[in-house]
Amino acid sequence: SQTIHQWPATLVQPVGSPLSLECTVEGTSNPNLYWYRQAAGRGLQLLFYSVGIGQISSEVPQNLSASRPQDRQFILSSKKLLLSDSGFYLCAWSREETQYFGPGTRLLVL
Amino acid sequence: LAKTTQPVSMDSYEGQEVNITCSHNNIATNDYITWYQQFPSQGPRFIIQGYKTKVTNEVASLFIPADRKSSTLSLPRVSLSDTAVYYCLVGNAGNNRKLIWGLGTSLAVNP
Repeated sequence: SQTIHQWPATLVQPVGSPLSLECTVEGTSNPNLYWYRQAAGRGLQLLFYSVGIGQISSEVPQNLSASRPQDRQFILSSKKLLLSDSGFYLCAWSREETQYFGPGTRLLVL
Repeated sequence: LAKTTQPVSMDSYEGQEVNITCSHNNIATNDYITWYQQFPSQGPRFIIQGYKTKVTNEVASLFIPADRKSSTLSLPRVSLSDTAVYYCLVGNAGNNRKLIWGLGTSLAVNP
């Protein structure tokens, strides 16, 4: 069966500091990968998606970036965090019509 | 892009059947209807997915009328642990730009 991991589970960072969130998928190959952000009490906002190694599409312009160095690894980064970057970050993978989500990372920027 | 509309919140009691309806008037031909459950501080959990008519699995049923402009998630005999936010999603993960998440329905199950 497939599993998806995210780390860290929670993170508190000062404004202006860098960010690196990692997501890995096991049990499948060549998945589509996604990064979402969810603000408190809100729905999910798609940030990035990837259909293959090195292929990244951005949905929302911002100070975040994503990379896919390996088939089942997806990384969300920032060079300088803003207060507005606080939120719950979710990684997901899909094959065909359905997306499956990881446990999420709670990011608090102070 | 297919947008969905769901009730903001619902209340129920243990043992009752709960039906949550989602409207999606501009669903496209290749769109699927997928429902997710989310608990606080957890990732959404896939519940059920369908394209047309009725789909049933071990936790829920999904009813889709012929015009596919709406769908109803049916949860039989809910328990306190079913208290969560339920999202209706219309789209196709093979076409990433068409996935739009609404605010979901907050279901409270009371004893």
